[in-house]
Amino acid sequence: GESVGLHLPTLSVQEGDNSIINCAYSNSASDYFIWYKQESGKGPQFIIDIRSNMDKRQGQRVTVLLNKTVKHLSLQIAATQPGDSAVYFCAENPGNTGFQKLVFGTGTRLLVSP
Amino acid sequence: DTEVTQTPKHLVMGMTNKKSLKCEQHMGHRAMYWYKQKAKKPPELMFVYSYEKLSINESVPSRFSPECPNSSLLNLHLHALQPEDSALYLCASSRENTEAFFGQGTRLTVV
Repeated sequence: GESVGLHLPTLSVQEGDNSIINCAYSNSASDYFIWYKQESGKGPQFIIDIRSNMDKRQGQRVTVLLNKTVKHLSLQIAATQPGDSAVYFCAENPGNTGFQKLVFGTGTRLLVSP
Repeated sequence: DTEVTQTPKHLVMGMTNKKSLKCEQHMGHRAMYWYKQKAKKPPELMFVYSYEKLSINESVPSRFSPECPNSSLLNLHLHALQPEDSALYLCASSRENTEAFFGQGTRLTVV
């Protein structure tokens, strides 16, 4: 079936480094993508989104890149901080249904050392 | 108010019990969702309500029964659950074609 997957299950970085978390998706009909951050014992927290008519979107310290040719999504976090330690999920919405039928990737754990 | 509030935060129930999970949002979102998340796994969609009507049921067993009493409330009624149903149950809401906001979840343990 269609799926969204991540290449790296765990990413360890030093405080101040830039982090890049990758995600591959397989549903070419997906038109909306979201990155979520989930801390232990909490629900997913929205970080940034991007629509399929864009290839880059920037937020505060975060950038999402979308490459539709190779069906690849990445999340870049600048100057990573210990508070960024969490599991990061990419999610796709496979079609314009008016609501979010999100399919989540497997997740990447980001560990930031002081 | 940008929160999705879920109660209770933790729930332990026996296999013969009936319990309900509750979710509330006051952001004017007309789509509400239930997701199930097992440990170290991504959330998996269970149900979608759009304008208070059930739009998607992802082949969820009938021991899980959703209810949307009004545009701000979403319930999940539980009956005769199995130990393998133990998980974090997440509620979310969204406007049309925008990001979904998640609650903190209810940690359910079935004994």
